[in-house]
Amino acid sequence: GAGVSQTPSNKVTEKGKYVELRCDPISGHTALYWYRQSLGQGPEFLIYFQGTGAADDSGLPNDRFFAVRPEGSVSTLKIQRTERGDSAVYLCASSLTGEYSGANVLTFGAGSRLTVL
Amino acid sequence: GEDVEQSLFLSVREGDSSVINCTYTDSSSTYLYWYKQEPGAGLQLLTYIFSNMDMKQDQRLTVLLNKKDKHLSLRIADTQTGDSAIYFCVLRRARNQGGKLIFGQGTELSVKP
Repeated sequence: GAGVSQTPSNKVTEKGKYVELRCDPISGHTALYWYRQSLGQGPEFLIYFQGTGAADDSGLPNDRFFAVRPEGSVSTLKIQRTERGDSAVYLCASSLTGEYSGANVLTFGAGSRLTVL
Repeated sequence: GEDVEQSLFLSVREGDSSVINCTYTDSSSTYLYWYKQEPGAGLQLLTYIFSNMDMKQDQRLTVLLNKKDKHLSLRIADTQTGDSAIYFCVLRRARNQGGKLIFGQGTELSVKP
């Protein structure tokens, strides 16, 4: 696609429920990133995929959070037993490569706003 | 995060220059970025600077880097109402520290006509 697409754009759920958030990166981009943005804060890194594998998952806050990218394209962020503190905008970004370079530009999606009641 | 500090708000009049400031703690960062976020839209990369540069100019945007003081600024000349948004100062951690992007809290720029 032309940009990074995230669905749903808004998700309201109840405490304790399971949630899946989907990211469709730009076609051909091998690197995919998940960030979480709480109200009034900057985005915080969660996980980075290079192809199908998670190259860095050091930002996942606990074992309730998990992400997959089985075919190296679409990624799903999964949150089990949601808590009110999980409420945030979850941002996905992709880049052509995972190369360590200033020119390796990340393109962000509009985000999925998760509200846990 | 606490590694990157920005003032939260800035208000200017249309046509004036805006200067958004940022201080950081990680001296090993080799790339420093400015991202713009508008309501309902994705984060948009405005510009970036490599740590061995002290200035970069791109049309209305001027980035200044003072590596000694760990201070980065973004100057927007002839600010327009369409420039109203949140601006994030972003560092890229060194390669041996994972290379991830670290965002500041963001500065909300309000441009009054």
